[in-house]
Amino acid sequence: QVQLQESGPGLVKPSETLSLTCTVSGGSISSYYWSWIRQPAGKGLEWIGRIYTSGSTNYNPSLKSRVTMSVDTSKNQFSLKLSSVTAADTAVYYCARGWFGELGPFDYWGQGTLVTVSS
Amino acid sequence: SYVLTQPPSVSVAPGQTARITCGGNNIGSKSVHWYQQKPGQAPVLVVYDDSDRPSGIPERFSGSNSGNTATLTISRVEAGDEADYYCQVWDSSSEGVFGGGTKLTVL
Repeated sequence: QVQLQESGPGLVKPSETLSLTCTVSGGSISSYYWSWIRQPAGKGLEWIGRIYTSGSTNYNPSLKSRVTMSVDTSKNQFSLKLSSVTAADTAVYYCARGWFGELGPFDYWGQGTLVTVSS
Repeated sequence: SYVLTQPPSVSVAPGQTARITCGGNNIGSKSVHWYQQKPGQAPVLVVYDDSDRPSGIPERFSGSNSGNTATLTISRVEAGDEADYYCQVWDSSSEGVFGGGTKLTVL
């Protein structure tokens, strides 16, 4: 059974960089797309971006200038960096696996981690 | 970028059929995926590629997609189906897009 676990600081100061890592267990990270998705309290889901295990990326145009994703296949991990954060970036951040290739759904999700942006 | 429109809320009595719509320009040409999210939990995939169900999802959950509207149908609704439901597609720029979500209330 594939499991995903997000990790990283729960509190980030405004203007700093949010950094999260997703660790994949119970299966290989190779040959899948891996996404980050966030959800502000009481609001809907927002796709942040994805990375393939080759390192190729797609980002949400609204966040593209601030987002960097990377993958470490040796550790079965992938990561998110979001720079110049503001209070509007406060949300639960999920990592998720893309199933069935480029147009497939998200079949496995992490439990989510709350990141608060505050001084 | 591509926009998906869902009704904010749908209400249905137990045992009845709930239909949740997802509107988008020529959405019938895309593969639509549906997720269920209960409070405090991560979303769960309930329908993918318009009408397929992952293993473990009851047959009561079904989907269709044509023209400008995709629909998630939940038959014989149970109290445990009360949740937020989101549709999702990939647009032509390889951007993931979610609908705004629909809160299903079981009366």
